[in-house]
Amino acid sequence: SQTIHQWPATLVQPVGSPLSLECTVEGTSNPNLYWYRQAAGRGLQLLFYSVGIGQISSEVPQNLSASRPQDRQFILSSKKLLLSDSGFYLCAWSVGRGNTEAFFGQGTRLTVV
Amino acid sequence: GENVEQHPSTLSVQEGDSAVIKCTYSDSASNYFPWYKQELGKRPQLIIDIRSNVGEKKDQRIAVTLNKTAKHFSLHITETQPEDSAVYFCAASRGNAGKSTFGDGTTLTVKP
Repeated sequence: SQTIHQWPATLVQPVGSPLSLECTVEGTSNPNLYWYRQAAGRGLQLLFYSVGIGQISSEVPQNLSASRPQDRQFILSSKKLLLSDSGFYLCAWSVGRGNTEAFFGQGTRLTVV
Repeated sequence: GENVEQHPSTLSVQEGDSAVIKCTYSDSASNYFPWYKQELGKRPQLIIDIRSNVGEKKDQRIAVTLNKTAKHFSLHITETQPEDSAVYFCAASRGNAGKSTFGDGTTLTVKP
C-alpha cells in the first residue's frame, strides 16, 4: 500500500533562517506531488506541484521554493523565512494519471518567530 | 482560475440531526469534486467524491449532490454523531485531483 511521510511535524524557526521540509512517498511510482499551506481557519492553498523529477510548477509568488530530486521525494525550502511563512504545510500525492483523490501527509506546523 | 466558495463557515447541530454544507465553483470545466474531513491537528482525508457525470452519490450516512448547471455541490450528513465533529473542505479540480481549489472549510460541531 502507498504511504506518505512528511517531517518534521513541528518546527519553530527564527526570522531570516533557512527552511527545508521533506516529503517522501512509498508504494507508488511517478506520482504527482504537491505542497499546500493552510492558514489558521482557512482552506488549503496550493503552493507547488510536480508531475515528474525536476518539474516544478509554482502556483503563487512567495518566499518559498520546491524541488523534486527523486521520483518520490519532494522538498519545500526557503533561504530566509518571514513571519508570514508561519502556517501548516501539507505535502500530498495523487496518481500520475487520472483524476482521483489526493493523499495528504501529516503536515508540518511551522512557526516563524 | 477556479474559485470555490463554501458555506457555512461554522455549523452546530444536535446529535442525530442532519448537516448540510454547500459549495459553489466558477470553472465550468471542473469535473471532480472531493470532500475532505480534517480533524484537529491532523491531515485532511477524503470522505466522498463525485464526478461531473454523476448527480448524486451516497455512502452510508454521507451523500453528495452536484448541480453542474448551477455550479454547486453539497455534502449531506445524516444521523450525525459526535465523531463527525471536524472541519470539512470541498474542492474542485479538472484533470488533476491534487491540483484542486479548496473552499475555506466548515467547522462542524455535533453536540451530544
